[in-house]
Amino acid sequence: NAGVTQTPKFQVLKTGQSMTLQCAQDMNHNSMYWYRQDPGMGLRLIYYSASEGTTDKGEVPNGYNVSRLNKREFSLRLESAAPSQTSVYFCASSGDRVTFFGSGTQLSVL
Amino acid sequence: EDQVTQSPEALRLQEGESSSLNCSYTVSGLRGLFWYRQDPGKGPEFLFTLYSAGEEKEKERLKATLTKKESFLHITAPKPEDSATYLCAALGMDSSYKLIFGSGTRLLVRP
Repeated sequence: NAGVTQTPKFQVLKTGQSMTLQCAQDMNHNSMYWYRQDPGMGLRLIYYSASEGTTDKGEVPNGYNVSRLNKREFSLRLESAAPSQTSVYFCASSGDRVTFFGSGTQLSVL
Repeated sequence: EDQVTQSPEALRLQEGESSSLNCSYTVSGLRGLFWYRQDPGKGPEFLFTLYSAGEEKEKERLKATLTKKESFLHITAPKPEDSATYLCAALGMDSSYKLIFGSGTRLLVRP
């Protein structure tokens, strides 16, 4: 039982490059999330998916897109990376009102 | 606007020196107050959920309490392995489980 698994753990991009962060959960949860964490700002919600086939914007969605591929998988895409997107990204899923997090992706955009 | 504020930002304790971390919230229709522990380079790890004022939860040296305006995480006789960032989050009235996070308290326990 791995919980929430996200890849990659580290990534360096040049401005303008694109990439997709992958996330999968094995807890049969309906809801999944993408957060970013920046020093002094706490965790901020980028996008969420309340159930398979639905996605909604969170607090900071600009510059990102998401895909809920199936009940298990929820990916985050940066189409044209910017230095302001340098951050640590966490995928999460929730059930019974408890949210569980992956181990994070440290992304640097040069 | 829903908001969660944690204090202090950082706390240094001697091993065995008990203290409390504060989480104040302004959330419409609180459905749950959550505490997480986060170690460097890791994702937040779930500790407790509190649902109503007066509720308390305990786990080893940690005890979480909840009032109508704030929550406290009490740490009794801490050990160096308790060093971490502690995050508080609130769940308000919403159709999904979107958490509102505070910015955390960095705890350092010295031997």
